[in-house]
Amino acid sequence: AQSVTQLGSHVSVSEGALVLLRCNYSSSVPPYLFWYVQYPNQGLQLLLKYTTGATLVKGINGFEAEFKKSETSFHLTKPAAHMSDAAEYFCAVSDIRDDKIIFGKGTRLHILP
Amino acid sequence: IAGITQAPTSQILAAGRRMTLRCTQDMRHNAMYWYRQDLGLGLRLIHYSNTAGTTGKGEVPDGYSVSRANTDDFPLTLASAVPSQTSVYFCASSLQGNTEAFFGQGTRLTVV
Repeated sequence: AQSVTQLGSHVSVSEGALVLLRCNYSSSVPPYLFWYVQYPNQGLQLLLKYTTGATLVKGINGFEAEFKKSETSFHLTKPAAHMSDAAEYFCAVSDIRDDKIIFGKGTRLHILP
Repeated sequence: IAGITQAPTSQILAAGRRMTLRCTQDMRHNAMYWYRQDLGLGLRLIHYSNTAGTTGKGEVPDGYSVSRANTDDFPLTLASAVPSQTSVYFCASSLQGNTEAFFGQGTRLTVV
C-alpha cells in the first residue's frame, strides 16, 4: 500500500530564508506525487505535481520540488520565504494503477518576520 | 464558475441523528472523494468513486456511506452521528482516480 511521510508537523523560517518541507513516499510502482497548500479556513489547492518526465517540477508562487527515486523523496522548496507563504502544506501520492490519492499528515509553515 | 460546491458550510448535529453532506461538481470529472481533516492527522480518505455507479472504501469508512447516482453528485451520509465524527469534511474530484484533485471549501461538522 502507498504511504506518505511528512517530516515535521511544524516548520518555522524567517522571511527571506529558504523553505524546505520534507516528504518521503512508499510505492511499489513509479509514483505520481503532489504538493497541496491550504490557507486558513479554505480547501486545498494544487501547488505542483510530478507524474513522468523531468524530475524537477516547478509550481505556483515560486515553489518547486524534486523527485528523487533513490531517496523516495519529493521535498518542497522555495528560495526565499514570504509572509504570505504561511499555510499548511500536504504531500500526496498516487500511481498509474491506482484509483485514489493518499495524503500525508501535513506540515504547518510559520514565517517569522 | 466551475468547481466543487459543498453544503452545508457548517453544522451542529445531535448525536444519533442522520446527516447528509452534499457535494456537487460541474467539471465532468470521473472520480470523486470524501476526506475528513482532523488536527494532527491530516486528510484521511473516507470513501471514493471512480465513476458514476461505483464506490470504494477509503482509510476510515466506518459510520459513513456514499452513493454516486450520476457524475456530478457524491453525497456523504452519517446514518447515526457520534461525537468522534466531529471534523472538517472535504469533497474533491479529479478527472481520473490518480490525477490531481480539486477540493471544495469544506463542511465543518460538530456532533454534540
